[in-house]
Amino acid sequence: DQQVKQNSPSLSVQEGRISILNCDYTNSMFDYFLWYKKYPAEGPTFLISISSIKDKNEDGRFTVFLNKSAKHLSLHIVPSQPGDSAVYFCAARGIGGSNYKLTFGKGTLLTVNP
Amino acid sequence: EPEVTQTPSHQVTQMGQEVILRCVPISNHLYFYWYRQILGQKVEFLVSFYNNEISEKSEIFDDRFSVERPDGSNFTLKIRSTKLEDSAMYFCASSASLTDTQYFGPGTRLTVL
Repeated sequence: DQQVKQNSPSLSVQEGRISILNCDYTNSMFDYFLWYKKYPAEGPTFLISISSIKDKNEDGRFTVFLNKSAKHLSLHIVPSQPGDSAVYFCAARGIGGSNYKLTFGKGTLLTVNP
Repeated sequence: EPEVTQTPSHQVTQMGQEVILRCVPISNHLYFYWYRQILGQKVEFLVSFYNNEISEKSEIFDDRFSVERPDGSNFTLKIRSTKLEDSAMYFCASSASLTDTQYFGPGTRLTVL
């Protein structure tokens, strides 16, 4: 049951360049999407989110883009820094009733090289 | 900055024993969650809790699992008759409202031998 898919298990970029992490989803009932960052031995840390009524949300170096027709979202980090090296999880949430649980992707390990 | 805390950080138990994992959610939050991540797999939803009741639970959350808010600050996950396959990282999360962002604790690593 892969309702949220992150097809790239890992990504390596140079410091200062752009990192683009991708996420696809299959459930059209999802209407809110989040990105979490996770360091080893820590819990997921909220990074940025986007509602399905928007196609872009920006917070500092982080921008999330949503293409609802393609059921695809991406996280852009510009410029990438070595401290950004972590596992990034895409998560999705539905609306109404009891559908507020988060459904996570498998994560993408980002390595930013100095 | 307020944060979710969890204890212990690592729990080792024998198969068949009972364990209690503890969480202190962010103080003004009303919605509480447990998730787990088996090594190498996705983070999976277990249960949500609001107003002293379970709001939603997954198929993983069978009758060996229970949750409780014994006082105004703690939120616990109890697993009875533990199995080897319960070994995982267990994350507690909380949110101020149903639609607000869920904030996660650092996790408890449960090892069932």
